[in-house]
Amino acid sequence: EVQLVESGGELVQPGRSLRLFCAASGFSFDDYAMHWVRQAPGKGLEWVSGISWTGESIGFADSVKGRFTISRDNAKNSLYLQMNSLRVEDTAFYYCVKDIVQGGSSSWFDSWGQGTLVTVST
Amino acid sequence: SSELTQAPTVSVALGQTVTITCRGASLRTYYASWYQQKPGQAPILVMYGNNKRPSGIPDRFSGSSSGDTASLSVTGAEAEDEADYYCSSRDSRDTSSRNLVLFGGGTKLTVL
Repeated sequence: EVQLVESGGELVQPGRSLRLFCAASGFSFDDYAMHWVRQAPGKGLEWVSGISWTGESIGFADSVKGRFTISRDNAKNSLYLQMNSLRVEDTAFYYCVKDIVQGGSSSWFDSWGQGTLVTVST
Repeated sequence: SSELTQAPTVSVALGQTVTITCRGASLRTYYASWYQQKPGQAPILVMYGNNKRPSGIPDRFSGSSSGDTASLSVTGAEAEDEADYYCSSRDSRDTSSRNLVLFGGGTKLTVL
């Protein structure tokens, strides 16, 4: 069974940094592209960032470009999101999600974690 | 444009058929995927590619696409189908395989 478990979310002040973690299990992590998707409370889904299975191809939403970085450690079955210069509008649940296509990148997400809440506030 | 547009709300009578649409320029190039989200839960994939259903998704869900519009239909809606539905696709601006993705704003489906 595929499991994605996010952690690292907490209350942080504007301008500070935070690193999110996603522990993956139940599948060959190094064969799949992975993404972060966020959802502000009561709002819709917003794609944040994605990384190919090799880690060579990376993309970011315009709203986080230059502030967030994504990385993965295939040896540890882990996905990371480094968030710098956090803003109030970054407040959201952050979901770790798995691409459905093995060895490729379809941007169709067949597995989602339960999310970790990041609150940016004074 | 790099947006996907969905109607905010749709309603359907129990047992009837409803179609949720998603419109955007990226859909001329890429197939959509559809996600169902119930309150307090993470989204789940209900449709992807050219009308493909993940295992465990009932066959009353179907998908289609034409031009810049993708559609998700529910034939014989059940009370448990009441949820928010989001469409998604690759962003057609992604000319260098950067894995850029778009989501629609979501449609709240009410089963009457």
